[in-house]
Amino acid sequence: AQKITQTQPGMFVQEKEAVTLDCTYDTSDPSYGLFWYKQPSSGEMIFLIYQGSYDQQNATEGRYSLNFQKARKSANLVISASQLGDSAMYFCAMRESGYSTLTFGKGTMLLVSP
Amino acid sequence: NAGVTQTPKFQVLKTGQSMTLQCAQDMNHEYMSWYRQDPGMGLRLIHYSVGAGITDQGEVPNGYNVSRSTTEDFPLRLLSAAPSQTSVYFCASSRDRESGYTFGSGTRLTVV
Repeated sequence: AQKITQTQPGMFVQEKEAVTLDCTYDTSDPSYGLFWYKQPSSGEMIFLIYQGSYDQQNATEGRYSLNFQKARKSANLVISASQLGDSAMYFCAMRESGYSTLTFGKGTMLLVSP
Repeated sequence: NAGVTQTPKFQVLKTGQSMTLQCAQDMNHEYMSWYRQDPGMGLRLIHYSVGAGITDQGEVPNGYNVSRSTTEDFPLRLLSAAPSQTSVYFCASSRDRESGYTFGSGTRLTVV
């Protein structure tokens, strides 16, 4: 079974609108971390936001917020007020306490139109 | 502060050739990993290291070797290149288990 599932291969949004990118995860580990990365067309992997499994509040970083629903095992990325520069591939990833590495989903391609 | 440096950025190999992808970090990170990225597959873990002298296999280790003689360097060796190893390779490092990984800029490898 996949540990990280991103069900949206592609998403379209208009500039200045908000968009939610879905991510569900599968783990029996009570301690884990969830990450979102952005990969623009230039290819680099850019860290966006982190949520720990014991964090009481949803993580926020500027226009990025993570909608963490622990019981549903979902960690959706919300981008408010989309910008043209947000067009990129977005990856959700998980790090379990017994592991030192990240497990990635297959990604969601976001296109922001004027 | 250079972060994670990968060389080369692009490489074309012939089937059967060997080569080493270089990765160096200057952040004194203990944890380092190699991933490959293929279209529609996300990033898949090849090998990883939790410190100098310690390495282990990831999800797709076949055809690759690694070593970690220093904290800074984590080279990935392709033993006998195959067209199936055509991919983009990322090296990444992390300070500890609670931190995210910092990625290098990637190496685009084509095996013909």
